[in-house]
Amino acid sequence: SAVISQKPSRDICQRGTSLTIQCQVDSQVTMMFWYRQQPGQSLTLIATANQGSEATYESGFVIDKFPISRPNLTFSTLTVSNMSPEDSSIYLCSVGTGEGYTFGSGTRLTVV
Amino acid sequence: ELKVEQNPLFLSMQEGKNYTIYCNYSTTSDRLYWYRQDPGKSLESLFVLLSNGAVKQEGRLMASLDTKARLSTLHITAAVHDLSATYFCAVDLGSQGNLIFGKGTKLSVKP
Repeated sequence: SAVISQKPSRDICQRGTSLTIQCQVDSQVTMMFWYRQQPGQSLTLIATANQGSEATYESGFVIDKFPISRPNLTFSTLTVSNMSPEDSSIYLCSVGTGEGYTFGSGTRLTVV
Repeated sequence: ELKVEQNPLFLSMQEGKNYTIYCNYSTTSDRLYWYRQDPGKSLESLFVLLSNGAVKQEGRLMASLDTKARLSTLHITAAVHDLSATYFCAVDLGSQGNLIFGKGTKLSVKP
């Protein structure tokens, strides 16, 4: 199955700033997915990133707040913009791997 | 709107005991996944269930899927402390790869 390298693993950021999270996959994949896991909660899909087209956002998530890049078939970034404490979460990327889905190691974001 | 309901949400077990975690979902799907998450860690894939009647076992864990009842179970046999973690089920809505997760079951196995 695919191996995903996600970074940073954690960060503490000031409110009003932005953080870009990167995911690198060891094989080419058509779609990459970005999830948010708020403290003590389950995972919620933020958006699906396809190479060569704009990301598709789920209800409640907008491009201005979570811009995504997908420059090639092995790499994607998610930016959390103009952060507030409510954005403190774990952010994970994911890719499909034949039968299932593999997740990156996650980025634990704390906004102060 | 698809809903995925897990129960129980919290489970405290003694070592050596058996228990089942249930995952109900509200729409048709033939693909269901179970993941394990340790505190501060990412998700580890446990089982991929792709058809009605699928049953998979790994060690002390066994998962099954009944697509007609829209129910999956994760059975724990003779629990050990190392199984302490949060377990999530997730339903795949189809080719778009949109996984809908249950709220998770936080399992604590005590000596």
